[in-house]
Amino acid sequence: DIQLTQSPSFLSASVRDRVTITCRASQGIRSFLAWYQQKPGKAPKLLIYAASTLQSGVPSRFSGSGSGTEFTLTISSLQPEDFATYYCQKYDNYPLTFGGGTKVEIK
Amino acid sequence: EVQLEESGGGLVPPGGSLRLSCVVSGFTFSDQYMDWVRQAPGKGLEWVGRSRNKANSYTTEYAASVKGRFTISRDDSTNSLYLQMNSLKTEDTALYYCARGTMLSGVSYTDYWGQGTLVTVSS
Repeated sequence: DIQLTQSPSFLSASVRDRVTITCRASQGIRSFLAWYQQKPGKAPKLLIYAASTLQSGVPSRFSGSGSGTEFTLTISSLQPEDFATYYCQKYDNYPLTFGGGTKVEIK
Repeated sequence: EVQLEESGGGLVPPGGSLRLSCVVSGFTFSDQYMDWVRQAPGKGLEWVGRSRNKANSYTTEYAASVKGRFTISRDDSTNSLYLQMNSLKTEDTALYYCARGTMLSGVSYTDYWGQGTLVTVSS
Protein backbone atom coordinates (compact mmCIF):
# COMPACT_ATOMS: atom_id res chain seq x y z
CA ASP A 1 0.00 0.00 0.00
CA ILE A 2 1.10 3.56 -0.68
CA GLN A 3 2.00 5.56 2.43
CA LEU A 4 1.73 9.33 2.85
CA THR A 5 4.24 11.11 5.08
CA GLN A 6 3.50 14.66 6.17
CA SER A 7 6.10 17.08 7.47
CA PRO A 8 6.39 18.71 9.82
CA SER A 9 3.99 17.00 12.23
CA PHE A 10 3.89 20.16 14.32
CA LEU A 11 4.40 23.76 13.29
CA SER A 12 4.45 26.91 15.40
CA ALA A 13 3.83 30.12 13.45
CA SER A 14 2.64 33.71 13.81
CA VAL A 15 -0.24 35.53 12.16
CA ARG A 16 0.76 36.72 8.65
CA ASP A 17 3.51 34.09 8.36
CA ARG A 18 3.86 32.07 5.16
CA VAL A 19 3.42 28.39 6.00
CA THR A 20 4.29 25.34 3.90
CA ILE A 21 3.32 21.74 4.67
CA THR A 22 4.73 18.82 2.69
CA CYS A 23 3.11 15.47 1.88
CA ARG A 24 5.27 12.73 0.35
CA ALA A 25 3.85 9.57 -1.21
CA SER A 26 5.81 6.32 -1.14
CA GLN A 27 4.86 5.77 -4.82
CA GLY A 28 3.55 8.07 -7.52
CA ILE A 29 -0.10 9.09 -7.27
CA ARG A 30 -0.18 11.54 -10.20
CA SER A 31 -2.26 14.50 -8.96
CA PHE A 32 -4.85 12.53 -7.00
CA LEU A 33 -4.27 14.30 -3.70
CA ALA A 34 -6.56 16.32 -1.43
CA TRP A 35 -5.88 18.55 1.56
CA TYR A 36 -8.21 18.96 4.56
CA GLN A 37 -8.34 21.30 7.52
CA GLN A 38 -9.68 20.08 10.85
CA LYS A 39 -10.37 22.24 13.88
CA PRO A 40 -10.87 20.75 17.37
CA GLY A 41 -14.26 19.08 17.76
CA LYS A 42 -15.15 19.65 14.11
CA ALA A 43 -15.32 17.53 10.98
CA PRO A 44 -12.57 17.88 8.38
CA LYS A 45 -13.10 20.49 5.67
CA LEU A 46 -11.88 20.06 2.09
CA LEU A 47 -9.43 22.77 1.04
CA ILE A 48 -7.74 21.47 -2.12
CA TYR A 49 -8.36 18.58 -4.52
CA ALA A 50 -6.50 17.35 -7.58
CA ALA A 51 -3.35 18.59 -5.84
CA SER A 52 -3.90 22.24 -6.74
CA THR A 53 -7.60 23.00 -7.27
CA LEU A 54 -9.11 25.23 -4.59
CA GLN A 55 -12.47 24.01 -3.27
CA SER A 56 -15.27 26.53 -3.70
CA GLY A 57 -15.44 29.00 -0.82
CA VAL A 58 -11.89 28.39 0.42
CA PRO A 59 -9.81 31.58 0.76
CA SER A 60 -7.22 32.20 -1.92
CA ARG A 61 -4.40 32.35 0.65
CA PHE A 62 -4.49 28.54 0.51
CA SER A 63 -2.75 26.89 -2.43
CA GLY A 64 -1.55 23.42 -3.35
CA SER A 65 1.10 22.16 -5.71
CA GLY A 66 2.94 19.02 -6.74
CA SER A 67 2.42 15.76 -8.56
CA GLY A 68 3.80 12.27 -8.45
CA THR A 69 5.27 11.80 -4.99
CA GLU A 70 5.77 15.28 -3.53
CA PHE A 71 3.05 17.77 -2.70
CA THR A 72 2.81 21.01 -0.75
CA LEU A 73 0.07 23.01 0.92
CA THR A 74 0.92 26.70 1.33
CA ILE A 75 -0.87 29.32 3.39
CA SER A 76 0.44 32.63 2.07
CA SER A 77 -0.48 34.74 5.11
CA LEU A 78 -1.59 32.80 8.17
CA GLN A 79 -4.78 34.09 9.76
CA PRO A 80 -6.07 33.42 13.32
CA GLU A 81 -8.77 31.07 11.97
CA ASP A 82 -6.15 28.93 10.20
CA PHE A 83 -4.75 27.42 13.39
CA ALA A 84 -5.82 23.81 12.96
CA THR A 85 -4.60 20.37 11.92
CA TYR A 86 -4.08 19.69 8.22
CA TYR A 87 -4.23 16.31 6.50
CA CYS A 88 -3.39 15.14 3.00
CA GLN A 89 -5.23 12.19 1.43
CA LYS A 90 -4.54 10.20 -1.72
CA TYR A 91 -7.46 8.96 -3.77
CA ASP A 92 -5.86 7.41 -6.85
CA ASN A 93 -6.57 3.86 -5.79
CA TYR A 94 -7.54 1.75 -2.80
CA PRO A 95 -6.94 1.88 0.04
CA LEU A 96 -7.46 5.61 0.31
CA THR A 97 -4.83 6.86 2.76
CA PHE A 98 -4.37 9.94 4.91
CA GLY A 99 -1.14 11.50 6.00
CA GLY A 100 -0.44 11.66 9.71
CA GLY A 101 -1.43 15.31 10.01
CA THR A 102 0.30 18.64 10.67
CA LYS A 103 -0.82 20.68 13.66
CA VAL A 104 -0.39 24.42 13.15
CA GLU A 105 -0.25 26.33 16.42
CA ILE A 106 0.20 29.96 17.40
CA LYS A 107 3.75 31.01 18.21
CA GLU B 1 -27.13 22.67 0.94
CA VAL B 2 -25.29 19.37 1.32
CA GLN B 3 -25.94 17.78 4.71
CA LEU B 4 -24.88 14.47 6.23
CA GLU B 5 -25.97 13.30 9.66
CA GLU B 6 -24.65 10.19 11.36
CA SER B 7 -26.31 8.24 14.16
CA GLY B 8 -26.14 4.90 15.90
CA GLY B 9 -22.94 5.22 17.87
CA GLY B 10 -22.63 4.03 21.44
CA LEU B 11 -20.89 1.73 23.90
CA VAL B 12 -20.50 -1.90 22.84
CA PRO B 13 -18.45 -4.76 24.37
CA PRO B 14 -15.58 -6.38 22.48
CA GLY B 15 -16.94 -8.94 20.02
CA GLY B 16 -20.22 -7.08 19.74
CA SER B 17 -21.98 -5.49 16.78
CA LEU B 18 -23.29 -2.06 15.94
CA ARG B 19 -24.90 -0.45 12.91
CA LEU B 20 -24.24 3.17 12.06
CA SER B 21 -26.53 5.22 9.85
CA CYS B 22 -25.98 8.37 7.82
CA VAL B 23 -28.87 10.32 6.32
CA VAL B 24 -28.01 12.80 3.58
CA SER B 25 -29.74 15.66 1.83
CA GLY B 26 -28.98 18.38 -0.68
CA PHE B 27 -27.75 16.13 -3.49
CA THR B 28 -28.76 13.10 -5.54
CA PHE B 29 -27.62 10.28 -3.27
CA SER B 30 -27.60 7.55 -5.92
CA ASP B 31 -25.17 9.57 -8.08
CA GLN B 32 -22.48 9.84 -5.42
CA TYR B 33 -19.80 7.63 -3.94
CA MET B 34 -20.00 7.54 -0.14
CA ASP B 35 -17.26 6.96 2.43
CA TRP B 36 -16.85 6.07 6.06
CA VAL B 37 -13.80 7.56 7.78
CA ARG B 38 -12.91 7.22 11.46
CA GLN B 39 -10.76 9.04 13.98
CA ALA B 40 -9.62 7.43 17.21
CA PRO B 41 -9.47 9.80 20.20
CA GLY B 42 -6.54 12.18 19.78
CA LYS B 43 -5.40 10.47 16.58
CA GLY B 44 -5.47 11.10 12.84
CA LEU B 45 -7.97 10.19 10.15
CA GLU B 46 -8.36 6.60 8.91
CA TRP B 47 -10.37 5.66 5.83
CA VAL B 48 -12.72 2.75 6.61
CA GLY B 49 -14.51 2.02 3.37
CA ARG B 50 -16.44 3.23 0.34
CA SER B 51 -19.66 2.54 -1.50
CA ARG B 52 -19.61 3.39 -5.17
CA ASN B 53 -22.65 4.93 -6.82
CA LYS B 54 -25.60 3.36 -8.65
CA ALA B 55 -23.83 3.65 -12.01
CA ASN B 56 -21.07 1.47 -10.54
CA SER B 57 -23.48 -1.02 -9.00
CA TYR B 58 -22.90 0.15 -5.42
CA THR B 59 -19.75 -1.94 -5.18
CA THR B 60 -17.65 -1.51 -2.06
CA GLU B 61 -14.04 -1.23 -0.92
CA TYR B 62 -12.67 -1.63 2.61
CA ALA B 63 -9.55 -0.93 4.58
CA ALA B 64 -7.61 -4.04 5.51
CA SER B 65 -8.20 -3.35 9.21
CA VAL B 66 -11.98 -3.81 8.85
CA LYS B 67 -12.36 -6.10 5.84
CA GLY B 68 -14.50 -9.12 6.67
CA ARG B 69 -15.92 -7.45 9.80
CA PHE B 70 -17.54 -4.28 8.47
CA THR B 71 -20.11 -3.98 5.68
CA ILE B 72 -21.30 -0.83 3.92
CA SER B 73 -24.77 -0.67 2.45
CA ARG B 74 -27.14 2.01 1.31
CA ASP B 75 -30.84 2.66 0.76
CA ASP B 76 -31.49 5.19 -1.97
CA SER B 77 -35.21 5.38 -1.10
CA THR B 78 -34.33 6.97 2.25
CA ASN B 79 -31.03 8.62 1.27
CA SER B 80 -29.30 6.51 3.89
CA LEU B 81 -25.84 4.99 4.15
CA TYR B 82 -25.07 2.27 6.68
CA LEU B 83 -22.02 0.73 8.31
CA GLN B 84 -22.61 -2.67 9.88
CA MET B 85 -19.76 -3.38 12.30
CA ASN B 86 -19.32 -6.92 13.63
CA SER B 87 -16.67 -8.57 15.81
CA LEU B 88 -15.76 -5.19 17.24
CA LYS B 89 -12.37 -4.69 18.84
CA THR B 90 -11.19 -2.09 21.33
CA GLU B 91 -9.09 -0.54 18.55
CA ASP B 92 -12.31 0.24 16.63
CA THR B 93 -13.11 2.91 19.22
CA ALA B 94 -13.37 6.14 17.25
CA LEU B 95 -15.52 8.93 15.95
CA TYR B 96 -17.03 7.65 12.70
CA TYR B 97 -17.66 10.12 9.89
CA CYS B 98 -19.87 9.69 6.87
CA ALA B 99 -18.57 11.60 3.85
CA ARG B 100 -19.52 12.21 0.23
CA GLY B 101 -17.29 11.37 -2.72
CA THR B 102 -17.29 13.43 -5.90
CA MET B 103 -16.07 12.04 -9.23
CA LEU B 104 -13.41 13.82 -11.27
CA SER B 105 -11.19 12.34 -13.96
CA GLY B 106 -12.45 8.85 -13.22
CA VAL B 107 -11.66 8.90 -9.50
CA SER B 108 -13.52 10.18 -6.47
CA TYR B 109 -12.30 12.63 -3.85
CA THR B 110 -14.11 13.23 -0.54
CA ASP B 111 -15.70 16.66 -0.30
CA TYR B 112 -18.43 16.89 2.36
CA TRP B 113 -18.41 15.35 5.83
CA GLY B 114 -20.94 14.78 8.58
CA GLN B 115 -20.21 15.64 12.21
CA GLY B 116 -19.56 12.05 13.25
CA THR B 117 -20.93 9.50 15.69
CA LEU B 118 -18.85 8.07 18.52
CA VAL B 119 -18.31 4.33 18.88
CA THR B 120 -16.72 3.05 22.08
CA VAL B 121 -15.72 -0.61 22.32
CA SER B 122 -15.11 -1.53 25.91
CA SER B 123 -16.09 -4.11 28.50
